[in-house]
Amino acid sequence: QKEVEQDPGPLSVPEGAIVSLNCTYSNSAFQYFMWYRQYSRKGPELLMYTYSSGNKEDGRFTAQVDKSSKYISLFIRDSQPSDSATYLCAMEGAGGTSYGKLTFGQGTILTVHP
Amino acid sequence: EPEVTQTPSHQVTQMGQEVILRCVPISNHLYFYWYRQILGQKVEFLVSFYNNEISEKSEIFDDQFSVERPDGSNFTLKIRSTKLEDSAMYFCASRRSNSNQPQHFGDGTRLSIL
Repeated sequence: QKEVEQDPGPLSVPEGAIVSLNCTYSNSAFQYFMWYRQYSRKGPELLMYTYSSGNKEDGRFTAQVDKSSKYISLFIRDSQPSDSATYLCAMEGAGGTSYGKLTFGQGTILTVHP
Repeated sequence: EPEVTQTPSHQVTQMGQEVILRCVPISNHLYFYWYRQILGQKVEFLVSFYNNEISEKSEIFDDQFSVERPDGSNFTLKIRSTKLEDSAMYFCASRRSNSNQPQHFGDGTRLSIL
């Protein structure tokens, strides 16, 4: 079983739609969870950084973590064409050998069409 | 907003040659990382670096790879004798501390080995 699984899509939605992106993981040591956005030929850009289970909101973005189910989500409300990018989930352990090392999902390619 | 900068943006090298990829982390950051992304694959951790020492390295980071912080601003990744399979995007990342802080990424160097 892969440590982090993410549906690569591609996902295509109309402008204004609510987008749901998800990752599952198998390693209980993961304690920190991130969502990055990556435009073509650019580096990962941090969108959300969370630690505890529950929801965290920032503008149109909501990150959700369910540690009991080993499942994280990113919701994008009122999606815009400028949201078209690859979305990467990433995870990090606390302490031990996984601390500092991010483990990434495959990335989901999102297209928001006008 | 401060950012991680990487040079060059694209490096083309003959197989067997040495290559040095350069990064300038965010100025008050103390923890530094290299990741790579082979085309169509996940972003993979290579190495973490703190206090002029490697903290952790992956299986990918073999004897052909080395990292250095030659001065107060630069952080470099050297590949001694490049192989075709080293062709990838290489991302540098940094963060201020290793306690509940996200990593910030540069835009990467695309390394092409001929």
